[in-house]
Amino acid sequence: RKEVEQDPGPFNVPEGATVAFNCTYSNSASQSFFWYRQDCRKEPKLLMSVYSSGNEDGRFTAQLNRASQYISLLIRDSKLSDSATYLCAVNTGGFKTIFGAGTRLFVKA
Amino acid sequence: DGGITQSPKYLFRKEGQNVTLSCEQNLNHDAMYWYRQDPGQGLRLIYYSQIVNDFQKGDIAEGYSVSREKKESFPLTVTSAQKNPTAFYLCASSTGSHGGELFFGEGSRLTVL
Repeated sequence: RKEVEQDPGPFNVPEGATVAFNCTYSNSASQSFFWYRQDCRKEPKLLMSVYSSGNEDGRFTAQLNRASQYISLLIRDSKLSDSATYLCAVNTGGFKTIFGAGTRLFVKA
Repeated sequence: DGGITQSPKYLFRKEGQNVTLSCEQNLNHDAMYWYRQDPGQGLRLIYYSQIVNDFQKGDIAEGYSVSREKKESFPLTVTSAQKNPTAFYLCASSTGSHGGELFFGEGSRLTVL
């Protein structure tokens, strides 16, 4: 089993739709959690950190469920510019961060 | 502007040749990292360094070497021992107090012919 697993995707949604991604992690001692956005052939960029029960940033909401060991990312009112790959990342303590394989999102007009 | 600079962006090499990828940061971050990304896969940690003159192996360190002689610099050498070196290589840094909040360079795409 992979340490961090994500929905396989791709997700194809129309503009204005709400879309949710899930990510599960296997190490119950994991301490911090993140969502990164990666555009095609570019570097990942931090989208959101998820430290406690979740946080919201505009149209983006991240949730953490420690009991079930998963985090989620909800995008409301999808824009064309949201099309990208979304990477889940889990920090197991210190300097080791494990990334999921990513979920591709295509938002269509 | 502060950031991480990787060079070269694209690199072609013949099998059996060692190559060195440069990574420089002016963010004053203590920790630096090298990840590898293959198509359709997540990032895999090669090496990381918490402070100058110290570095640790990640999950896939075989066939790679690094040095950390200066805080700003963390070069990665891909040696001929690396079985499948063609990949997208990403350098990152963090403050250390927020281990998972990584700032990435634009990456180096290595193709071995």
